[in-house]
Amino acid sequence: KQEVTQIPAALSVPEGENLVLNCSFTDSAIYNLQWFRQDPGKGLTSLLLIQSSQREQTSGRLNASLDKSSGRSTLYIAASQPGDSATYLCAATNFGNEKLTFGTGTRLTIIP
Amino acid sequence: GAGVSQSPSNKVTEKGKDVELRCDPISGHTALYWYRQRLGQGLEFLIYFQGNSAPDKSGLPSDRFSAERTGESVSTLTIQRTQQEDSAVYLCASSLARTSGGDNEQFFGPGTRLTVL
Repeated sequence: KQEVTQIPAALSVPEGENLVLNCSFTDSAIYNLQWFRQDPGKGLTSLLLIQSSQREQTSGRLNASLDKSSGRSTLYIAASQPGDSATYLCAATNFGNEKLTFGTGTRLTIIP
Repeated sequence: GAGVSQSPSNKVTEKGKDVELRCDPISGHTALYWYRQRLGQGLEFLIYFQGNSAPDKSGLPSDRFSAERTGESVSTLTIQRTQQEDSAVYLCASSLARTSGGDNEQFFGPGTRLTVL
């Protein structure tokens, strides 16, 4: 059974700094891994999807990496802005199983 | 184009009543998923539809929960005899069919917040 962990649960960073969010998973036979952001009272916004054959994906100031052998993914946010404040969730799907297994998220606060 | 839409956005009901939640997926998306997010907890998978295949109901927490999908369009999630522990945000997502490339990105709707009094 896939288990996904995100540590820390909360993170505060001054505006302008670069930061890394961590995601760990127990079953390396993943099909893909997605990063989402969730704003209070809102749904999930997809940020990046990394396929199992890929090692990283980039979108603007965001870069996500995937290391299946170590069971880890990271989301790098460059030049953080107050608008980046949100809860960030990672989720994995496995071969033979379509559902997303979510981590519990990291609540990010960017301090102006 | 339009994203995933859900209705109602909020639903307050009394314990024991039945409720129906609706999801309209992105046009052309053959896969549709329901998830639940209870307060202070992570997202839980409920059910998955793919085209005309039998749905994956492995995440439904009890037989009070059921879901239907009309072809490759609208889906309804029905909760019978609601209990207070059913209070949660119910999220729907849709995606293209899974291919060998692993590119079936899931897109989420805004959710329905259900409160059972």
